[in-house]
Amino acid sequence: NAGVTQTPKFQVLKTGQSMTLQCAQDMNHNSMYWYRQDPGMGLRLIYYSASEGTTDKGEVPNGYNVSRLNKREFSLRLESAAPSQTSVYFCASSVAGEVYEQYFGPGTRLTVT
Amino acid sequence: QKEVEQNSGPLSVPEGAIASLNCTYSDRVSQSFFWYRQYSGKSPELIMSIYSNGDKEDGRFTAQLNKASQYVSLLIRDSQPSDSATYLCAVKKRSSNTGKLIFGQGTTLQVKP
Repeated sequence: NAGVTQTPKFQVLKTGQSMTLQCAQDMNHNSMYWYRQDPGMGLRLIYYSASEGTTDKGEVPNGYNVSRLNKREFSLRLESAAPSQTSVYFCASSVAGEVYEQYFGPGTRLTVT
Repeated sequence: QKEVEQNSGPLSVPEGAIASLNCTYSDRVSQSFFWYRQYSGKSPELIMSIYSNGDKEDGRFTAQLNKASQYVSLLIRDSQPSDSATYLCAVKKRSSNTGKLIFGQGTTLQVKP
């Protein structure tokens, strides 16, 4: 039982390049989330997917797109990377219902030069 | 006013002491409350969740919730150097029918041998 996995662990991009961050969970959770974490800013929600087939914007969605590929997988795409997107990105998942405990993946450290 | 507020610290306690971490939230109808521990360079790890007023104990950890005062705390008894980390408080609003959580910026705890 791997929990939540993310690839890649590290990535360096040049301004304007694109990339997709991958996330998968094996806990049969319905809901999945993408966060970014920056010093002094805490964890900020980028996008979330309450259930398979649905996605919605979080607090800081600009410059990102997401795809809920199936129940297990939720990807985050940067179409044209900017230095302001340098951050650590975390994927999380949770069950639906009254209990919303979220479990986090190991993170992707992204640098945009 | 931030929705979830924590003192950033650092909070420094000697080994064996009780560490008390505090969190206040602004939305009176918040429903569920979570404490996460995050070691430097790692992802957040769920320690405790609490939903009802009062105390909830799990090993050396006790979460305390006072909805009237809009206040949730985490006590760590017999603090160990391995408890040195950043502790994140997270809140789920009752109005949210998804698992969206609002995170505080975290309190850094230092346990000195």
